[in-house]
Amino acid sequence: DVKVTQSSRYLVKRTGEKVFLECVQDMDHENMFWYRQDPGLGLRLIYFSYDVKMKEKGDIPEGYSVSREKKERFSLILESASTNQTSMYLCASSLSRQYNSPLHFGNGTRLTVT
Amino acid sequence: GESVGLHLPTLSVQEGDNSIINCAYSNSASDYFIWYKQESGKGPQFIIDIRSNMDKRQGQRVTVLLNKTVKHLSLQIAATQPGDSAVYFCSHSGGYQKVTFGTGTKLQVIP
Repeated sequence: DVKVTQSSRYLVKRTGEKVFLECVQDMDHENMFWYRQDPGLGLRLIYFSYDVKMKEKGDIPEGYSVSREKKERFSLILESASTNQTSMYLCASSLSRQYNSPLHFGNGTRLTVT
Repeated sequence: GESVGLHLPTLSVQEGDNSIINCAYSNSASDYFIWYKQESGKGPQFIIDIRSNMDKRQGQRVTVLLNKTVKHLSLQIAATQPGDSAVYFCSHSGGYQKVTFGTGTKLQVIP
């Protein structure tokens, strides 16, 4: 089974801090994604990547950046955390850009910005 | 933009009964549909998928039906069990694997 591991389950950060959320997948998937999940809003795509050093904006990229230096690792960066970025963050991976396939999710990082 | 909607935010079902969770989508170009299950404290997990060249697909206790004419997707769970209690998301995608999710339906199984 594919395993997607997010480095932290819970994080508490202060407004203005730089925050790194790390995600690692172990199945050599090409695609990786960052979503945030908020009550009543479902899952919203922040950024995604089809390959090392490639990134694409999702639906809500403002206030975030990403890094993919290695195929198995996809990092989400909050340059200056704000309270409206308090949320559940979910990382996911999937096989390939050329073939639609299911997303495999990590168990999420619940970030609180105070 | 694209939208994926769910008809019922919460569904309560007696244990042992069948459950039907519905989903509407708006993008007629979508060709790949997925149902996910999210249990409390966990990320969404893949349940079953269907491609647009099919209208029905069965798994273990689950069936997905796709009606492309009315842009409607449903998930049927047979003999619902307490372990089925979760939030269920439908999603669709077209090219480039950009997946759009609905807001989810919470399934509550009554013992």
